[in-house]
Amino acid sequence: KAGVTQTPRYLIKTRGQQVTLSCSPISGHRSVSWYQQTPGQGLQFLFEYFSETQRNKGNFPGRFSGRQFSNSRSEMNVSTLELGDSALYLCASSLVQNTEAFFGQGTRLTVV
Amino acid sequence: GEDVEQSLFLSVREGDSSVINCTYTDSSSTYLYWYKQEPGAGLQLLTYIFSNMDMKQDQRLTVLLNKKDKHLSLRIADTQTGDSAIYFCAESYSGSARQLTFGSGTQLTVLP
Repeated sequence: KAGVTQTPRYLIKTRGQQVTLSCSPISGHRSVSWYQQTPGQGLQFLFEYFSETQRNKGNFPGRFSGRQFSNSRSEMNVSTLELGDSALYLCASSLVQNTEAFFGQGTRLTVV
Repeated sequence: GEDVEQSLFLSVREGDSSVINCTYTDSSSTYLYWYKQEPGAGLQLLTYIFSNMDMKQDQRLTVLLNKKDKHLSLRIADTQTGDSAIYFCAESYSGSARQLTFGSGTQLTVLP
């Protein structure tokens, strides 16, 4: 059974640009959550989707957005990139009412 | 408030037991988790415990939960060099794993 797949693995963008990251959950998992990991702030929850609707949102500016498609794949978008957005972005998938969340390998975003 | 704290570093000798500690503040937590992160990788779910349990054992891993003191620990028996990684504890509130609050992580170094 394939795990959580995140693409791309690495990205380099320039300040002011926008970026889209993709996450394909484990087959059958309908919930996708996104996290940002930085050395200074650690792991922080961004948002969570299931049934194509955002269910929960963390404390991030509106530049961070996401969506989920009918096949449960999810994308997150960051607009007007800032240097501080450089981070490892992780997505996790789970069954909706389940105790286990499984993470992908992450996308390493570097903003220069 | 939601706050999860861990000590930053732990060094042990190969073959010894490791004990990684975590404290949390929200008494409404329902599940508490331990994840492992190796360099350049995502998070690997090691184990989790429901908040009405005191202990859970899974092969070399033992989780202890003291609800009164809001203290969680992970014991790794017979620690091996392959156990060197960052270990995160995390809590959820909703009865599912869709939104987790993570500690800052403990860097475990296993010395030969």
